[in-house]
Amino acid sequence: NAGVTQTPKFQVLKTGQSMTLQCAQDMNHEYMSWYRQDPGMGLRLIHYSVGAGITDQGEVPNGYNVSRSTTEDFPLRLLSAAPSQTSVYFCASREIQTWPSGYYGYTFGSGTRLTVV
Amino acid sequence: AQKVTQAQTEISVVEKEDVTLDCVYETRDTTYYLFWYKQPPSGELVFLIRRNSFDEQNEISGRYSWNFQKSTSSFNFTITASQVVDSAVYFCALLTDSWGKFQFGAGTQVVVTP
Repeated sequence: NAGVTQTPKFQVLKTGQSMTLQCAQDMNHEYMSWYRQDPGMGLRLIHYSVGAGITDQGEVPNGYNVSRSTTEDFPLRLLSAAPSQTSVYFCASREIQTWPSGYYGYTFGSGTRLTVV
Repeated sequence: AQKVTQAQTEISVVEKEDVTLDCVYETRDTTYYLFWYKQPPSGELVFLIRRNSFDEQNEISGRYSWNFQKSTSSFNFTITASQVVDSAVYFCALLTDSWGKFQFGAGTQVVVTP
């Protein structure tokens, strides 16, 4: 039972390059989301998805694209990387849970550390 | 607007001392969840506890305890008899809807030295 798997764990990009951060979960979770972690700022929501074919923006969506073609996968795309996107990226997932009484939280991946030079 | 404040940037203690981490939150919602996560040097996020707004019962679990007070909008976390393995960044987080828009605090670095 792998949980939430993120690849790669580390990546260095040059400004203007594109790349896709991969996130896969094997728990049949409907809900998936991407966060970025920056020093002193905690985690901030980039995009989220409540099921295949459904995505929405979070707090800091600019510069990132997502799609959800399957329940298992939720890739995050950087079309033209910028130094401001240097961060640690976390993917998280959960079942659709009953709010609020049956709610019990998220499973996070181990993160991808991205450096844009 | 939702906000979580962890005023302590870093706490350094000697092993076996107690450590209390402060968390103050702001929300207008009457239904919400509060979480504590631990991030060790390896980088992953480890879930520690969640509390919902309609359950103010405090709890002790091993060396960990939590103090949730709605009257002061605080959700403090204590590690008793700290150990070197407790060295990590600890995040307090607020969730006010089912769509997962967490509001995380900035985190508190805990350093436990032998």
